[in-house]
Amino acid sequence: TQLLEQSPQFLSIQEGENLTVYCNSSSVFSSLQWYRQEPGEGPVLLVTVVTGGEVKKLKRLTFQFGDARKDSSLHITAAQPGDTGLYLCAGFDQTGANNLFFGTGTRLTVIP
Amino acid sequence: GAGVSQSPRYKVAKRGQDVALRCDPISGHVSLFWYQQALGQGPEFLTYFQNEAQLDKSGLPSDRFFAERPEGSVSTLKIQRTQQEDSAVYLCASSETGISSDEQYFGPGTRLTVT
Repeated sequence: TQLLEQSPQFLSIQEGENLTVYCNSSSVFSSLQWYRQEPGEGPVLLVTVVTGGEVKKLKRLTFQFGDARKDSSLHITAAQPGDTGLYLCAGFDQTGANNLFFGTGTRLTVIP
Repeated sequence: GAGVSQSPRYKVAKRGQDVALRCDPISGHVSLFWYQQALGQGPEFLTYFQNEAQLDKSGLPSDRFFAERPEGSVSTLKIQRTQQEDSAVYLCASSETGISSDEQYFGPGTRLTVT
């Protein structure tokens, strides 16, 4: 089993604050993705990182893939209430299997 | 264009009943996945189809779970003799090709509650 642990599990912050969510594993992944899921909906892809050490930015969100491709982080600058949701990391392992291994999730609440 | 749709959105079943959950993937998508998401957890892989072929069913938790995609489009996940531990959201996803790491598009899920 490819285990992806996310921390923190829950995060409640004020609008305008910065935050970082971590996704860690003892396994190596060929690529890693971040999703956001809102209540009653399926996960929606935010970004895919492929190369060790890669950094991608999406507006106020910055994603980083660890050098060893075992971990990743998501940093949000100046959080807004619209950022509220469940953030999931997910990876494709190195066997070439098509299914995603999802992390345990981080539930973010941004208070106006 | 239309995304992935699932029906029913909510299903309540008494323990021991059989249920069937439907997934309509994005038209033309080759790959279809089923995931199970327990409350407050990330989704867990159940099974994978490429067209009508079920290439991976390693995530199905027991032989009470059965999935099919007979014509390579619509898929049905069937759970026989439901148990309380089957209560979860069942997510379907499709992707355009059979290439690993291709983007998966998720449906809204079916929330199954077994009483």
